[in-house]
Amino acid sequence: GAGVSQSPSNKVTEKGKDVELRCDPISGHTALYWYRQSLGQGLEFLIYFQGNSAPDKSGLPSDRFSAERTGGSVSTLTIQRTQQEDSAVYLCASSLEAGGQETQYFGPGTRLLVL
Amino acid sequence: AQSVTQPDIHITVSEGASLELRCNYSYGATPYLFWYVQSPGQGLQLLLKYFSGDTLVQGIKGFEAEFKRSQSSFNLRKPSVHWSDAAEYFCAVGRDFGNEKLTFGTGTRLTIIP
Repeated sequence: GAGVSQSPSNKVTEKGKDVELRCDPISGHTALYWYRQSLGQGLEFLIYFQGNSAPDKSGLPSDRFSAERTGGSVSTLTIQRTQQEDSAVYLCASSLEAGGQETQYFGPGTRLLVL
Repeated sequence: AQSVTQPDIHITVSEGASLELRCNYSYGATPYLFWYVQSPGQGLQLLLKYFSGDTLVQGIKGFEAEFKRSQSSFNLRKPSVHWSDAAEYFCAVGRDFGNEKLTFGTGTRLTIIP
């Protein structure tokens, strides 16, 4: 079946602009995660959603970052007033549910470059 | 807080040779441990995972890993590497009652030479 998809695959923006990154999880997966992969920083957890519960936003680096998940499926990660340090690959993952022994399946990522 | 250390940033191995990638974790309880592989331009793919039971875990593509509690390690091994194994490898640890908020190591880049 289809895996996790993300769009766009690449995004170039100017400093100060807002960007939206989209994630389509695997159908039927109730948990969705966002990670950021930066040079020298490795993979950092940003936020995760489980069903209709309030999301765990503990990894968001600043209030410029926000995410929503509509209808328990598609998620959008929004970065407002982008800064050059936001340049990274943003990875989305989904799993059947959060916790337990569920495997997280990752999408190909969106590569963001802030000029 | 949990943490993961991958001490080798870059490893070069000859095709057909054996491979061991190191991973050390810091976590107070029994960890959930994972190895993921990322090929250029690709997302992360799960190689194997350990939750409990047998400490030697078999994964896909001929990889295995051994959980050693006394050494806080979860090293990845393969007896004979193929050129297609060239990629970046990430070790990750999850919480004891869930695997949300995976904490990843910084990765080990594997280069295969003929």
